[in-house]
Amino acid sequence: GENVEQHPSTLSVQEGDSAVIKCTYSDSASNYFPWYKQELGKGPQLIIDIRSNVGEKKDQRIAVTLNKTAKHFSLHITETQPEDSAVYFCAASRGNTGFQKLVFGTGTRLLVSP
Amino acid sequence: DAGVTQSPTHLIKTRGQQVTLRCSPKSGHDTVSWYQQALGQGPQFIFQYYEEEERQRGNFPDRFSGHQFPNYSSELNVNALLLGDSALYLCASSAYSQGNQPQHFGDGTRLSIL
Repeated sequence: GENVEQHPSTLSVQEGDSAVIKCTYSDSASNYFPWYKQELGKGPQLIIDIRSNVGEKKDQRIAVTLNKTAKHFSLHITETQPEDSAVYFCAASRGNTGFQKLVFGTGTRLLVSP
Repeated sequence: DAGVTQSPTHLIKTRGQQVTLRCSPKSGHDTVSWYQQALGQGPQFIFQYYEEEERQRGNFPDRFSGHQFPNYSSELNVNALLLGDSALYLCASSAYSQGNQPQHFGDGTRLSIL
């Protein structure tokens, strides 16, 4: 079945630095790749997503890139702020119907120090 | 606009007991998915409901069952609880009619098995 690997497991940066989290997927039929942010005691919150027909997507300080040939995608956060500290999960799914089965990575704990 | 709501927030059970968790989807959503998130791990897909039927199922035993009601709300039932069932149970909703759209998560039910 589909497998998603995520690196690094922990990432510490100084406020204002950039942070990059990388994921690889195994199912070449995967076509939808969301990123979620999970704060302590909360459920995952969608922060950005990308579909397989797009190579890059940006939303203010957050961007995601997708390399279908290599089967990997990355989350880029610029000008990090302490409130960006959380656990980030990448995920992948396949299909074009409303029936999505998200396969998640193991998460990256991001710590932004003031 | 209410998001995905889950109840209860916390639950303590003993081995062998049965438990029912509840989920109300985001307004306008008709598809409900359930995920299990063990401590320090990414969420794992349990199953998905649409039009009151189970549409997809992950690699979970038959002890895990569900139901969807005409108002789109859903229940997750787990029988013969094991210590390994201790986890955060997340509900996610989406709108099937809108195709491959993002899933929105609730804050989960923390289930502890003693």
